[in-house]
Amino acid sequence: KAGVTQTPRYLIKTRGQQVTLSCSPISGHRSVSWYQQTPGQGLQFLFEYFSETQRNKGNFPGRFSGRQFSNSRSEMNVSTLELGDSALYLCASSLESMNTEAFFGQGTRLTVV
Amino acid sequence: GESVGLHLPTLSVQEGDNSIINCAYSNSASDYFIWYKQESGKGPQFIIDIRSNMDKRQGQRVTVLLNKTVKHLSLQIAATQPGDSAVYFCAEEMTGNQFYFGTGTSLTVIP
Repeated sequence: KAGVTQTPRYLIKTRGQQVTLSCSPISGHRSVSWYQQTPGQGLQFLFEYFSETQRNKGNFPGRFSGRQFSNSRSEMNVSTLELGDSALYLCASSLESMNTEAFFGQGTRLTVV
Repeated sequence: GESVGLHLPTLSVQEGDNSIINCAYSNSASDYFIWYKQESGKGPQFIIDIRSNMDKRQGQRVTVLLNKTVKHLSLQIAATQPGDSAVYFCAEEMTGNQFYFGTGTSLTVIP
């Protein structure tokens, strides 16, 4: 069974640009969560999608958005990129939500220059 | 200005010894916890989980202990191997699949 797939693995963008990251969850998993990982802040929750609806949102500005498609694949978008957005963006999928194992992808390493 | 990064606790153990990694969590209402292992350049890898109605859970070479009274989790790794070298995170579930992660502990296994 394939794991969580994130694309692209690496990305370099310029300040002010926007970026879209993709996450394909494990087959059958309906919940997808996104996290930002930086050396300064560790792993921080961005948002969670379940059945195409955003169900939880972390404390990030509105420049960070996401969506989920009917096949459970999810995308996150960051607009007007800032240098501080440079991070490893991780997606986790789980079968349902609440008390179920969450499996992470390899992440997308975003560098903003 | 100078950026301040997280200071990761570190643990060094001899190969073959047992390792104990500790974690304090914040929310007394949290009822689900996961330990993850993250190797360099990879995403966090699920190791073991525990629900709040349990005090202990065992996996292959790993044991998680939960002390709800003092809001403390520990991960015990038996017969630590070089491949166990990684950063270990505990995560507590806040609400619906939103996890709060600890700062992590860097484990180094000395051959």
